[in-house]
Amino acid sequence: ILNVEQSPQSLHVQEGDSTNFTCSFPSSNFYALHWYRWETAKSPEALFVMTLNGDEKKKGRISATLNTKEGYSYLYIKGSQPEDSATYLCAFGGGSQGNLIFGKGTKLSVKP
Amino acid sequence: EPEVTQTPSHQVTQMGQEVILRCVPISNHLYFYWYRQILGQKVEFLVSFYNNEISEKSEIFDDQFSVERPDGSNFTLKIRSTKLEDSAMYFCASSSFGTGSYEQYFGPGTRLTVT
Repeated sequence: ILNVEQSPQSLHVQEGDSTNFTCSFPSSNFYALHWYRWETAKSPEALFVMTLNGDEKKKGRISATLNTKEGYSYLYIKGSQPEDSATYLCAFGGGSQGNLIFGKGTKLSVKP
Repeated sequence: EPEVTQTPSHQVTQMGQEVILRCVPISNHLYFYWYRQILGQKVEFLVSFYNNEISEKSEIFDDQFSVERPDGSNFTLKIRSTKLEDSAMYFCASSSFGTGSYEQYFGPGTRLTVT
């Protein structure tokens, strides 16, 4: 059974702090790694889809790295703002059929 | 910006009743998915759908579940006889391509409560 793990489960930071969290996934049969940002009562919003080992992607203050050989990805948020408060989900796209296998998420709270 | 919509946002039903959850995917997308999240657990894949057929389904998607694209815009998930353990947030997603390396766009979910 494929398993995706995220850590930490939750994180409380002050506005302006930089933070990062981890997603671990199987290193075999890798297709893609997805990061989503999910605010309560809203649609999960796609942040990144990463496919290549060593990939690094950036969107504003948020960036992500990928290591497919060891099976992990990091998500970084530079200078956290209260509006960054959300649950960050990673999902392993391991097959040609497209179904995603999700981690449990990291819930980030940013205090003003 | 195009988005996936889902109705209703919250559905309460009694055990044994049938429910239909509705989704309108992004209009030019061809691949459609249902996922669910039981409170406190991971988001789980239920089924993928392409060209009016199920492409793949998980072991959760048993005979009580069915999906349909009744017209050119809607995509529905039916649960024939709901159980307490079906209580969850159900998400619909759509994608322009069907492999795991393409972005899936999610709707806001339908919270199903079975009493």
